[in-house]
Amino acid sequence: DVKVTQSSRYLVKRTGEKVFLECVQDMDHENMFWYRQDPGLGLRLIYFSYDVKMKEKGDIPEGYSVSREKKERFSLILESASTNQTSMYLCASSLPGTSGNEQFFGPGTRLTVL
Amino acid sequence: DQQVKQNSPSLSVQEGRISILNCDYTNSMFDYFLWYKKYPAEGPTFLISISSIKDKNEDGRFTVFLNKSAKHLSLHIVPSQPGDSAVYFCAATLWSNTDKLIFGTGTRLQVFP
Repeated sequence: DVKVTQSSRYLVKRTGEKVFLECVQDMDHENMFWYRQDPGLGLRLIYFSYDVKMKEKGDIPEGYSVSREKKERFSLILESASTNQTSMYLCASSLPGTSGNEQFFGPGTRLTVL
Repeated sequence: DQQVKQNSPSLSVQEGRISILNCDYTNSMFDYFLWYKKYPAEGPTFLISISSIKDKNEDGRFTVFLNKSAKHLSLHIVPSQPGDSAVYFCAATLWSNTDKLIFGTGTRLQVFP
């Protein structure tokens, strides 16, 4: 059974803290994604990685960075957390290059920045 | 610029009746459309997809219809069940970049007894 796991389900941080969100997939997928989900805005892509050490900015990369040192692991970093980064963060993975490719999602991390 | 739009934030349907969720798009270069379902505190899960060269795809109780001239697709659930209560996201991929999904804002479906 395919699986995407995220390191925390709930996280509370203070403004200015550095925050790491970890995602691991066991499907040997090349592609990995970080989204945030906010009410009324749907899922918005933050960053995308199509291979180890490769990354591409999504629609809302400001205030975030990512790291992909191993194929199965994709980390999202908030360098200095702010209250407007309070959100649900979702990680996903997929195989590359086929139309209609399904993305597999983790359970999400609900981050609150105080 | 929202390329994929779900104009109804919520929908309430009686159990056993049909649920119709709608999605509009603006980019004629989309080549595939997907529907995802999301329960609270869980990640979205894939439900059904349709290629832009087709106008209908069916999988059990779920059917997706695509009207390319109107740039509109819809998801029909028949019969609706209480377990279908969730948020439904429409998503699309471009011919030029099939790896990235562009999501709509979601529609919350509630199926009541």
